[in-house]
Amino acid sequence: QVQLQESGPGLVKPSQTLSLTCTVSGGSISSGGYYWSWIRQHPGKGLEWIGYIYYTGSTYYNPSLKSRVTISVDTSKNQFSLKLSSVTAADTAVYYCARDSPPPDYWGQGTLVTVSS
Amino acid sequence: DIVMTQSPDSLAVSLGERATINCKSSQSVLYSSNNKNYLAWYQQKPGQPPKLLIYWASTRESGVPDRFSGSGSGTDFTLTINSLQAEDVAVYYCQQYYRTPFTFGQGTKLEIK
Repeated sequence: QVQLQESGPGLVKPSQTLSLTCTVSGGSISSGGYYWSWIRQHPGKGLEWIGYIYYTGSTYYNPSLKSRVTISVDTSKNQFSLKLSSVTAADTAVYYCARDSPPPDYWGQGTLVTVSS
Repeated sequence: DIVMTQSPDSLAVSLGERATINCKSSQSVLYSSNNKNYLAWYQQKPGQPPKLLIYWASTRESGVPDRFSGSGSGTDFTLTINSLQAEDVAVYYCQQYYRTPFTFGQGTKLEIK
């Protein structure tokens, strides 16, 4: 059974860079066949797809965030990562990583990231 | 972007009754070359990540009870929950994966009447 676990700081200051890592177990990112996505959910709100990466390093980002987002993969560690630069309070959300067939079928538990000074 | 609009925003149904949630996309998510609708349904309970229930608009994910069913094609879709159980209380989302950026509906909150 594939499992995903997000990790990273729960508090980020405005204008800084949010950095999260997703560790995958029970399956290998480098096996191919799936995309690996980041999705966020603002408090009490709906879901926003941030972007995905393939094991080759090919990425797609939501145009609404594209100028600030970088998703990378480390197949040796079976991890993929999210960086979101120049954050504001509007980036406060629960961030999920997911295996994306598409659609996303396995999700991490999510991690709350709060942007505040 | 493809805009996904769900109705209603909230719904209260008695135990054992049927719940129906609708989802409309701003453009068709039916891919003509394979005749598949790129539409999924999720269930999210408080403090948990979304759980995939249905994909290809009508295919149940493994382990999902058969009281959950999906239907529709093109731009109009429905999630039906027959014989509502207490554990079905949740927020339900539709998602299109026809075109990036993949987009979700705003969610429908299902409660027990």
